[in-house]
Amino acid sequence: NAGVTQTPKFRVLKTGQSMTLLCAQDMNHEYMYWYRQDPGMGLRLIHYSVGEGTTAKGEVPDGYNVSRLKKQNFLLGLESAAPSQTSVYFCASSYTAAFSGRALDTGELFFGEGSRLTVL
Amino acid sequence: RKEVEQDPGPFNVPEGATVAFNCTYSNSASQSFFWYRQDCRKEPKLLMSVYSSGNEDGRFTAQLNRASQYISLLIRDSKLSDSATYLCVVNRGSSNTGKLIFGQGTTLQVKP
Repeated sequence: NAGVTQTPKFRVLKTGQSMTLLCAQDMNHEYMYWYRQDPGMGLRLIHYSVGEGTTAKGEVPDGYNVSRLKKQNFLLGLESAAPSQTSVYFCASSYTAAFSGRALDTGELFFGEGSRLTVL
Repeated sequence: RKEVEQDPGPFNVPEGATVAFNCTYSNSASQSFFWYRQDCRKEPKLLMSVYSSGNEDGRFTAQLNRASQYISLLIRDSKLSDSATYLCVVNRGSSNTGKLIFGQGTTLQVKP
């Protein structure tokens, strides 16, 4: 089972360059998320999507854009990379909202393996 | 104050020990609570949800204390394979906003 796949796994950019991270899931999940993980900070939500064609801002959206043209794909774009965007990026998906709180519906997040981005 | 706080550790324990982690959260409206496990340089994976009545899954027990706004994870009979970082996860509020807040994680090292 592929689950959630992220590409690329590693990338080094120079300040000011642009790039796109691709996330693909084969579980027919409605909800998709992009997080970044930095030492001592925990995972922070960048943007998320509650369905095809919709996106919303998370905690740290500045400097990033996203698109969800197809249900299975969620793209994260950096238009002009900055050293502060050096991080590990995780994509995740869930069948329902990952916060429903219902006992029979954990809203479990399924994560990709992560993409390590370094901006010089 | 962080919305979700954990003692980063590391907790170094021998095999067979019992270890407990606590996590505090600041938003009293939070409704959903989880523990995720993250191995070194890997993605987080759900370990267990935390229910109001407390719940157990094998050697793992999760508890919720709404009055004091903390959740706990107890691991009994620790195994070497339990070595990982344990992430406390809380939703920001009761509304459907998709905002789960992750703690920075508590690192556990189980020694032979």
